Amino acid sequence: DTGVSQDPRHKITKRGQNVTFRCDPISEHNRLYWYRQTLGQGPEFLTYFQNEAQLEKSRLLSDRFSAERPKGSFSTLEIQRTEQGDSAMYLCASSFSVYNEQFFGPGTRLTVL
Amino acid sequence: GENVEQHPSTLSVQEGDSAVIKCTYSDSASNYFPWYKQELGKGPQLIIDIRSNVGEKKDQRIAVTLNKTAKHFSLHITETQPEDSAVYFCALNRDDKIIFGKGTRLHILP
Repeated sequence: DTGVSQDPRHKITKRGQNVTFRCDPISEHNRLYWYRQTLGQGPEFLTYFQNEAQLEKSRLLSDRFSAERPKGSFSTLEIQRTEQGDSAMYLCASSFSVYNEQFFGPGTRLTVL
Repeated sequence: GENVEQHPSTLSVQEGDSAVIKCTYSDSASNYFPWYKQELGKGPQLIIDIRSNVGEKKDQRIAVTLNKTAKHFSLHITETQPEDSAVYFCALNRDDKIIFGKGTRLHILP
């Protein structure tokens, strides 16, 4: 399968714990995006990378959130000191350029107890 | 910021009938308008997109229309089938990101 992959698919954690998610984009894509989706809503933009450079972060991305794409390939999204309000689906997408289709991964569903 | 208003939030149509979903927006700078289909437990999948230099685009049973003057665009699905049941999102570009509507849950009734 050469699509966008995300790991893990599901994560249950206790409030206050740290969690890290991974995204592997389509190999030739230079742009990688992170979105958050809550129940009954559309995906909301969090941040994106062009190669290894993080170019924009949403106001939704509090100081507890950090994302990296160290070699311009896979990316990680870390949430520190998780809160119940962080419970959501975290989606990753990649594209070859901003004008092309963004291909989405299956998402990581986070539940914070 | 940019808002995309999507209607209806839920739509039920008889199998074989057509379904229409409409979206409006406010920022005239947007020039790319994709539509995504999301099935349960999966990520959104692009089904069709349109750019601001055309008014209509069709791909088999799916078509999208765009009226840039009125700032609205619509998705049309004809001859609906059970596998069309899903949540559909309209979206548009703002700077380097995609802004999504809240989605329409489409039910195809047997």
